[in-house]
Amino acid sequence: KQEVTQIPAALSVPEGENLVLNCSFTDSAIYNLQWFRQDPGKGLTSLLLIQSSQREQTSGRLNASLDKSSGRSTLYIAASQPGDSATYLCAVRRGGNQFYFGTGTSLTVIP
Amino acid sequence: DGGITQSPKYLFRKEGQNVTLSCEQNLNHDAMYWYRQDPGQGLRLIYYSQIVNDFQKGDIAEGYSVSREKKESFPLTVTSAQKNPTAFYLCASSTTSSAGELFFGEGSRLTVL
Repeated sequence: KQEVTQIPAALSVPEGENLVLNCSFTDSAIYNLQWFRQDPGKGLTSLLLIQSSQREQTSGRLNASLDKSSGRSTLYIAASQPGDSATYLCAVRRGGNQFYFGTGTSLTVIP
Repeated sequence: DGGITQSPKYLFRKEGQNVTLSCEQNLNHDAMYWYRQDPGQGLRLIYYSQIVNDFQKGDIAEGYSVSREKKESFPLTVTSAQKNPTAFYLCASSTTSSAGELFFGEGSRLTVL
C-alpha cells in the first residue's frame, strides 16, 4: 500500500527566507503528484501538479520537483511571506482514481 | 466560476440524528470523492464515485451513505450508526484521466452535541 510522509510536521521561518518542504512516497508507480495548501478551517487549494513524466513545475515563487525513482518530491518556496503561513499537503495519484495524502507540514512565517 | 460548493459550512447534530452534507460541482468531472479530516491525521476516504449511479466504499465507509443521481451532485449522509462523526468533511472531484488534477470544496464542519 502506498504511504506518503511529510517531514517535518511543523516549520517556523523568518520572513524572507527560502524554504523547502519534503514529501516522500513508498511506491513509485504513480500518475502524478499534487501539492496543496490548506488554511485553517478551509478546503485544500491546489498549488502545483506534476505529472509522472515531469521533473518539476513552477508557479510564481513556488517550485515543485519530482524524483519518482527515489520516491521524493520537494516544494520550494522563495522569499517567504507571512501570507504563506498554512499547512501544505502533498498527494500522489495511482490507478483507479486512488489518491494518497501526506499528513502535511504546518508552516509559520514570522514577520 | 467553476468549482465545488459544499453546504452547510457548519452543522450541529444531536446524537441519533442523520444529517446530509451537500456537494455540487460545475467542473464537469466524472469522479467525486468524500474525505474526512481529523486533527493530526491525514485525509481518509469515505466514498467515491466514478460515474452516475455508481459509487464505491473507501477506507472508512461504515456509518455513512452516499448517492450519485446526477453528475454534478454527490451528497453524503452521516447516519446515527457513525460512532464518532465530529470532523471536517471535504468533497473533491477530478476527471477520470490518470493525469487529472484533484479539486476540493471549502469543507463542512460537523459537530455532534
